[in-house]
Amino acid sequence: EPEVTQTPSHQVTQMGQEVILRCVPISNHLYFYWYRQILGQKVEFLVSFYNNEISEKSEIFDDQFSVERPDGSNFTLKIRSTKLEDSAMYFCASRNPRLAGAHANTGELFFGEGSRLTVL
Amino acid sequence: AQKITQTQPGMFVQEKEAVTLDCTYDTSDQSYGLFWYKQPSSGEMIFLIYQGSYDEQNATEGRYSLNFQKARKSANLVISASQLGDSAMYFCAMREGNYGQNFVFGPGTRLSVLP
Repeated sequence: EPEVTQTPSHQVTQMGQEVILRCVPISNHLYFYWYRQILGQKVEFLVSFYNNEISEKSEIFDDQFSVERPDGSNFTLKIRSTKLEDSAMYFCASRNPRLAGAHANTGELFFGEGSRLTVL
Repeated sequence: AQKITQTQPGMFVQEKEAVTLDCTYDTSDQSYGLFWYKQPSSGEMIFLIYQGSYDEQNATEGRYSLNFQKARKSANLVISASQLGDSAMYFCAMREGNYGQNFVFGPGTRLSVLP
């Protein structure tokens, strides 16, 4: 069964360092997302990406964050200068639009297993 | 304003009993989708069940069912015959529009199943 894969599973970094989190979404999906979750609490939306550009972003997704789909398969989240409060689990997700009829789907999000970021 | 509200931060249920986890939502779209995800202590997000706004019948998937009350904008998850493995965080989520990309989550409810 196709799945979303994320690397690394855990990264420890010093405050102020740049971090890149990598994701390989499911190959035929069109929409890509990054969410973060601090200490098993709420799942916070960061950004959505469609047709090679950001379609929506939250107030969390400030100038320190950027996303890229450099080669048609990877989807990366970069944090330019990490802060202590960036410590969290970062989830990548992908999905297709909801379709009815013969090829119906629910349009649900498929999540990767997450990348745990620890900023010291 | 919160688009998804889950008023129960924590719930307890006895093994083999049924439990209802509450979810209310706010949208002005006519077409939207409601989802429940389970997050066990291992951390992965597991899709459980989906309800479309135009679906006339409540969704069911095995021991999971969704009590959808459109006029009240509620989409409560019912878990029947609770098992110890049901202990987890449960998140209600909403997608606005069929092609909408806004996919937001509620704050979650932590369910503990007691032996």
